Formats: sequence, structure tokens, C-alpha cells
Amino acid sequence: AQKVTQAQTEISVVEKEDVTLDCVYETRDTTYYLFWYKQPPSGELVFLIRRNSFDEQNEISGRYSWNFQKSTSSFNFTITASQVVDSAVYFCALENNAGNMLTFGGGTRLMVKP
Amino acid sequence: KAGVTQTPRYLIKTRGQQVTLSCSPISGHRSVSWYQQTPGQGLQFLFEYFSETQRNKGNFPGRFSGRQFSNSRSEMNVSTLELGDSALYLCASSLPARDTDTQYFGPGTRLTVL
Repeated sequence: AQKVTQAQTEISVVEKEDVTLDCVYETRDTTYYLFWYKQPPSGELVFLIRRNSFDEQNEISGRYSWNFQKSTSSFNFTITASQVVDSAVYFCALENNAGNMLTFGGGTRLMVKP
Repeated sequence: KAGVTQTPRYLIKTRGQQVTLSCSPISGHRSVSWYQQTPGQGLQFLFEYFSETQRNKGNFPGRFSGRQFSNSRSEMNVSTLELGDSALYLCASSLPARDTDTQYFGPGTRLTVL
């Protein structure tokens, strides 16, 4: 069985602070895919990044960066110089090689205050 | 390119009724997956359809069913509604092609059961 844990249920920061959202996963598969999605108040899940289990390179996209560490089964997400528009619920998700079935973590609600 | 569309956006039903939700995938996408989001259970996978066939199914009772049409549009049906079925139902589409199998989500249908 697969499992994704996001231990931080809610984080509050002041604008321009850096913030890291933690994600720990469990799977027995050797091939799997990890995702981060953002859910603003409107409800739609917005895709942020996809990583496969063979690619442990960290990735940076503007103010966003992701740190994938297979040794600790973690896929953490950092927002640098946070902005009010970053306020949302962020979900980490895992998918194995059997098809389009995402297993989601419980989500982390990020509140960025001006 | 238009995104995933879902209709209706909001729905109010009473216990015992049935409901049908509709999802139109991104043009060219052939896989459609459905997810239920509730405050208590979080985001849970319902089922996935590809080429008009159900390819994967989550752990939900038989009251939850779906289908996919030849144009890849999908519907899900919930019969004999219960109060606990109140949720945001999200639809996602993907190509799929193994290395680019990212699911893109629609805005969701918020179902309230009274």
C-alpha cells in the first residue's frame, strides 16, 4: 500500500519569508512518480511539478524549488520570498506504475500574511 | 487549449436521490480520473477510465459508478445519496503517455446532500 504524509497541517508566514513544505512517502514500488499540486480557494488543483523515482535532481522554478531524497523517502517543496498569492493548500501526491491513481497527502494549508 | 471542464459546478440533492456529474477532458486527453475530496477523508481516488473502459477503481461502494464516452467525456453517477457523499468531486485528465502522465484537474463539482 502507498502512503503520503504531510505532517504540517497549517503554516503561517509573513510575506518574503522562505517556507518549506514537507512530504514523506511510502511505497514498495521501484518505479513511481511524485507530484505537488496547489489548491487555491477556488478549489481547482493546479499542477506544480512531477518527478519520477529515477530522477533525484533537485529542481528550481522561479521562487519554487523541490528537494527529492530517495534515501529518506522525502520530496520537500520550498517557496522562497513568499507572497500573499502563495496562500493555498498544497498537496503532495504519489503515483505508481499501474495507472492514473494518485495517492494524496493530507495537504498543508499555507497562509502568507502581508 | 481549454482546460478540464466540469458541470454542474454546484449541486444540492436530498438523501436517497441520485446524481450525475459530467467531465470534459482537455482536448486529446484519453484518460479521465475522478476524485472525492472531503474534510475528513481528504482527497481519495474513485476510478479511472481510458478508452471507454474502467482501468482502475478505488475503494468506494458500488453506489459510485462512472462511464466514458467515445469522445473521452466522462460521467460519474452516485445513487441513493447519503449525507456523507457531500464533497467536492474533482475530475482529472491525462494523455496518457507513460513519461508524461500528469493529471490536470478541473474546477470540481461541489455536491451537498441534505
